[in-house]
Amino acid sequence: DGGITQSPKYLFRKEGQNVTLSCEQNLNHDAMYWYRQDPGQGLRLIYYSQIVNDFQKGDIAEGYSVSREKKESFPLTVTSAQKNPTAFYLCASSDRRGYEQYFGPGTRLTVT
Amino acid sequence: AQTVTQSQPEMSVQEAETVTLSCTYDTSESDYYLFWYKQPPSRQMILVIRQEAYKQQNATENRFSVNFQKAAKSFSLKISDSQLGDAAMYFCAYRSAYRTGGSEKLVFGKGMKLTVNP
Repeated sequence: DGGITQSPKYLFRKEGQNVTLSCEQNLNHDAMYWYRQDPGQGLRLIYYSQIVNDFQKGDIAEGYSVSREKKESFPLTVTSAQKNPTAFYLCASSDRRGYEQYFGPGTRLTVT
Repeated sequence: AQTVTQSQPEMSVQEAETVTLSCTYDTSESDYYLFWYKQPPSRQMILVIRQEAYKQQNATENRFSVNFQKAAKSFSLKISDSQLGDAAMYFCAYRSAYRTGGSEKLVFGKGMKLTVNP
């Protein structure tokens, strides 16, 4: 079955540690996205990538980093510079037309 | 910058009845896409319906239909014959049709919680 996988579903870290969230897709989509969701808020774009080895900052990129070495993979690193990292993180992808974005199941990150 | 507003944070509906979720947006662009996404308790975002701004005909998907009023910048979702499985957060989203840097992102409203009562 084609889809987007994110792992792990729940992640716990101590403050000051970097953590990497995984996102893999087998939909053969060119574009991939990372969103952050906070309680009572819609989704906000962190980073996106339209092609391998290229990515752009979204609205709230500070404290995050990404890489896109393979078409299928778009990992997100939450660095210690991110002031409020506890949130729900969603990965998405879209095809070349970009009409619709398909989402993974998300990762809940808790930093204490 | 584009904005999306969902002014009703919560709504409830009786099973088998019809409910309408409202959404307004602000943009200076003439060509764009609008979406409704559903987020059930599992938190998986699921696309419900899509509307292209250049199409005058309102989109429909089974029990889901939209009322797209371009001049008023309004995009409401009607759910007919509501089912218990429709209970979820619903998000309205906007995407520019112009493929320039950053325009491919989705701009989301804050969401609305729909409760379906048996």
